[in-house]
Amino acid sequence: EIVMTQSPATLSVSPGERATLSCRASQSLSSDLAWYQQKRGQAPRLLIYGASTRATGIPARFSGSGSGTEFTLTISSLQSEDFAVYYCQQYNNWPLTFGGGTKVEIK
Amino acid sequence: EVQLLESGGGLGQPGGSLRLSCAVSGFTFRTYAMTWVRQAPGKGLEWVSGISDGGDYTYYAESVKGRFTISRDNSKNTLYLQMNSLTADDTAIYYCARVDTPSWYFDLWGRGTLVTVSS
Repeated sequence: EIVMTQSPATLSVSPGERATLSCRASQSLSSDLAWYQQKRGQAPRLLIYGASTRATGIPARFSGSGSGTEFTLTISSLQSEDFAVYYCQQYNNWPLTFGGGTKVEIK
Repeated sequence: EVQLLESGGGLGQPGGSLRLSCAVSGFTFRTYAMTWVRQAPGKGLEWVSGISDGGDYTYYAESVKGRFTISRDNSKNTLYLQMNSLTADDTAIYYCARVDTPSWYFDLWGRGTLVTVSS
């Protein structure tokens, strides 16, 4: 099983600042990596797939990068609606696995 | 409007069974693989099971293999999850999600249904 490790567990950021979230895989994924956003009490929402492609309707302030085992989600200028939990998910190998999540909170 | 609507959650007995359904509308169900993902209270996301568009191929997490069965009825636009031999560790919100076939990430999600396993 591929283990996905996200860091940090919690990120405190002021509105308007940049947030950088990391996701590490225990083996190479090529670019088979997705990012999701989950707000309290809501279902997850797809943000990024293929490590760097924004899903439909996702604002340009969200960007993904990386390949192999190291991936990054960057939110260039945090808006109030961006405070949430973010998960990475690998789809390179079975079983599919998620990271433990990074909570982005208001500083 | 695209919609995934889960149902069938509730209180289950340890060792008992529940069957979840996910009714889909707004897209051509039979052309997409589908999946179930769960989230225990206060915890992260855990992939549970997936099924190919035609239903020929099924996939399971080790934690549910042999106990859960995923299926679909393309004539009814409905996805199912039969859960047997329930334990307290199965307590979670269960989400159905659409797979952006052929890549197994999830581009549309339902709102989830809560399963609580307790005596």
